[in-house]
Formats: sequence, structure tokens, C-alpha cells
Amino acid sequence: DTEVTQTPKHLVMGMTNKKSLKCEQHMGHRAMYWYKQKAKKPPELMFVYSYEKLSINESVPSRFSPECPNSSLLNLHLHALQPEDSALYLCASSQPWVQSTDTQYFGPGTRLTVL
Amino acid sequence: GESVGLHLPTLSVQEGDNSIINCAYSNSASDYFIWYKQESGKGPQFIIDIRSNMDKRQGQRVTVLLNKTVKHLSLQIAATQPGDSAVYFCAENPSGYSTLTFGKGTMLLVSP
Repeated sequence: DTEVTQTPKHLVMGMTNKKSLKCEQHMGHRAMYWYKQKAKKPPELMFVYSYEKLSINESVPSRFSPECPNSSLLNLHLHALQPEDSALYLCASSQPWVQSTDTQYFGPGTRLTVL
Repeated sequence: GESVGLHLPTLSVQEGDNSIINCAYSNSASDYFIWYKQESGKGPQFIIDIRSNMDKRQGQRVTVLLNKTVKHLSLQIAATQPGDSAVYFCAENPSGYSTLTFGKGTMLLVSP
């Protein structure tokens, strides 16, 4: 099973709202990722968790706050977002990169619209 | 034929044709490469991967070719079907880093 699940599928929020995106995998992977993807563009890496610890933050604004409660779950907490944050948010997982050969498997994404 | 639009290069083919999607990668230290397929409204789906110690790898109807001399990667799809219509991304992993660098993507349109 190579499934990564994400909820919700769609989310509309105002600029003053607080919401969370959720991601789950049961492949035993110990690395999890958040990406942001704009239309007709490649995914852009936001955060990497390895063994439940944040290992990479690609200079993401603090209005995005990631959390990894356990090895299967990854959350992205959203607060005071801007309309330009509207995008498809993708979660991925893999084995931690040992010899740079472990594939990242992606979830279906959450389509976020900020009004 | 192939065209470069405002945002995304597009390759248009007829059903049954063979398709070749190309990708130029940037980092000569990259030692692992992946092709992903992304259909509209979905997340990227793994298609095939290749390590830098290989120059060719075959899957079911797909073949990836790697030319390290010119830093070029290609994806060949045999007997292309309408269900192959999607955006295809190549991705590279620089050795020793736990991240992927994605190419700009190519949209494949298959006409029946």
C-alpha cells in the first residue's frame, strides 16, 4: 500500500480564520513533507520532518505552522493567511534518505482558497 | 508536436503513438531521479525512478533514459493512451540531501 491520505479535500477560509490540514500514512515511513503547488507549477517544498523532528523549513512564513504528532501523522496549522496563499497543499512521505534513493509518495492534496 | 506555452510546455500526440518527454536537470551531483504523473486535481503519482549508476530503466509501457554527460533525462511512453494525459514532472535528488528538486513539468495531451 503506497497511500497517503489528506483531509480536507477542499478548504475555504477567511484571512482571520484558523484551520488545520491533516495528512496520514501507514507505510512505516519516517520522513514526511509539506509542499505548496500553484497552478501549472511544480510542487515547492515547505517543510520536512524526519523521525518526527522538523529538519527543513524552507523559509516559510510563520502563518504556516507544521506539527508531527507521531510517525504516521502530519498537520499544517494555518492562521492569518493571505489570498496569495491559495494553492494545492500536498503531503508526501518516504523513508528517511539514507542513500538518496527513497521515493516520495504524495497524497491527493488539499485545495485551499483564502478569501 | 511540442510547444512551449506561457507557463507549461505541452506535447500533443495521437492515441497509439509513442511519447517522449524530456527534462534537463541542473545538479551534476544528483544521483537519483524520479518521474511523476499528475492528473488534474490530484497529487503527483510515482511512475518510475532511476539511479545515476544506470542509463536506462524500463517499466510497464514506460522507459526512463539518463544521460549524465549532458544532464538530460527522458521518459518514453509506448502506445500512449488518453488516460496518459496529465502533467509529467521529473525530479532530482542531490546526493546527501533529503529533498527533491522538481522540473517545470510537461503537459501531455493524448487525442483519441
